[in-house]
Amino acid sequence: KQEVTQIPAALSVPEGENLVLNCSFTDSAIYNLQWFRQDPGKGLTSLLLIQSSQREQTSGRLNASLDKSSGRSTLYIAASQPGDSATYLCALLNQAGTALIFGKGTTLSVSS
Amino acid sequence: DAGVIQSPRHEVTEMGQEVTLRCKPISGHNSLFWYRQTMMRGLELLIYFNNNVPIDDSGMPEDRFSAKMPNASFSTLKIQPSEPRDSAVYFCASSHRDLSGYTFGSGTRLTVV
Repeated sequence: KQEVTQIPAALSVPEGENLVLNCSFTDSAIYNLQWFRQDPGKGLTSLLLIQSSQREQTSGRLNASLDKSSGRSTLYIAASQPGDSATYLCALLNQAGTALIFGKGTTLSVSS
Repeated sequence: DAGVIQSPRHEVTEMGQEVTLRCKPISGHNSLFWYRQTMMRGLELLIYFNNNVPIDDSGMPEDRFSAKMPNASFSTLKIQPSEPRDSAVYFCASSHRDLSGYTFGSGTRLTVV
């Protein structure tokens, strides 16, 4: 059974710092991996989607990487801002392709 | 498109009562998913429909939970009878059949007292 783990569960950084969020998974037979953002009391917004054949995706200050062989993905946030404060969830789609399986998320707090 | 629409946004009910959560997926999406989110367990998939047919309901916690999708534009998740441990945020999501365009609704926050 696929398991998705995100460490740390919470992270606090000062504004301007570059940071990395980690996601690990137990079964490398994945179809794709997504990073989502969730603001308090809100739904989920997709940030980046990496297909299994890709190594990374970039959008603005965000860069997500995927290493299937080691079962890891990272989300890099450059020059963090207070507006980046949210919970970031990693989710992946197994090759069986039924539905997304989520990690429990990393709650990020960026102080000004 | 208005996105995935869930109602109600908040529901407070007494233990033992029936609760019905509603979802309108994005038009043209063939797949619909119900998730439950709690602090302890994170986001858990409850059930998934493809072309209105339930494909995988292995995540439904017990017989008190049931879900239907009578047509392509509407789904319900029903809890009968509700219990305090059902308190959570319930999300609906929809996507194309190839799972592209995965979009979540804003969720229904359920509190059972």
